Amino acid sequence: DAGVIQSPRHEVTEMGQEVTLRCKPISGHDYLFWYRQTMMRGLELLIYFNNNVPIDDSGMPEDRFSAKMPNASFSTLKIQPSEPRDSAVYFCASSGRGRIGRSYEQYFGPGTRLTVT
Amino acid sequence: AQSVTQPDIHITVSEGASLELRCNYSYGATPYLFWYVQSPGQGLQLLLKYFSGDTLVQGIKGFEAEFKRSQSSFNLRKPSVHWSDAAEYFCAALNRDDKIIFGKGTRLHILP
Repeated sequence: DAGVIQSPRHEVTEMGQEVTLRCKPISGHDYLFWYRQTMMRGLELLIYFNNNVPIDDSGMPEDRFSAKMPNASFSTLKIQPSEPRDSAVYFCASSGRGRIGRSYEQYFGPGTRLTVT
Repeated sequence: AQSVTQPDIHITVSEGASLELRCNYSYGATPYLFWYVQSPGQGLQLLLKYFSGDTLVQGIKGFEAEFKRSQSSFNLRKPSVHWSDAAEYFCAALNRDDKIIFGKGTRLHILP
């Protein structure tokens, strides 16, 4: 398996522009997570989906952030408009089912490093 | 509030020396606990997990961790570190809302 795939790996944009981050989870996984990592705040869960349905978006910082999962193999995280304080590394992770039920092991993608100038 | 604490931001050890990274959690019941490693420029990789049973769990890359309920701890250990172990290590726990809460991380430096 190719693992969790994220694109782009690096994104540099100007303040006010729209940014779209993409994620392809591991095939067969039914949970998908979006995290943000910064030096100041560490690793924060933004939102997660189960079977393509958003379950908890309480970590989404503002209305400028939105996430979608139109099908089991694709998700996007959009920031519109972007601000310098959104600069961070954004990770996507997925998890699936174990032998006795939900597996809580999360598999992370390589991340997208976002810089907003 | 439920939390995971890693008291050491940085740890430096010599290659070949033993390692222990500390982790404390604040939960009432027996939590699900994890250790992840993050190498520079990469995502997190699961080292090991504890759900129940034997309190000493073995993981990948020669790491192990011990769950101690009396101390609310889940410390990560390795008997002899290699230069390739230099990375950031995250302890995590599953909270009551079924979400994984991560500690702030401990950055491990290896001296040659």
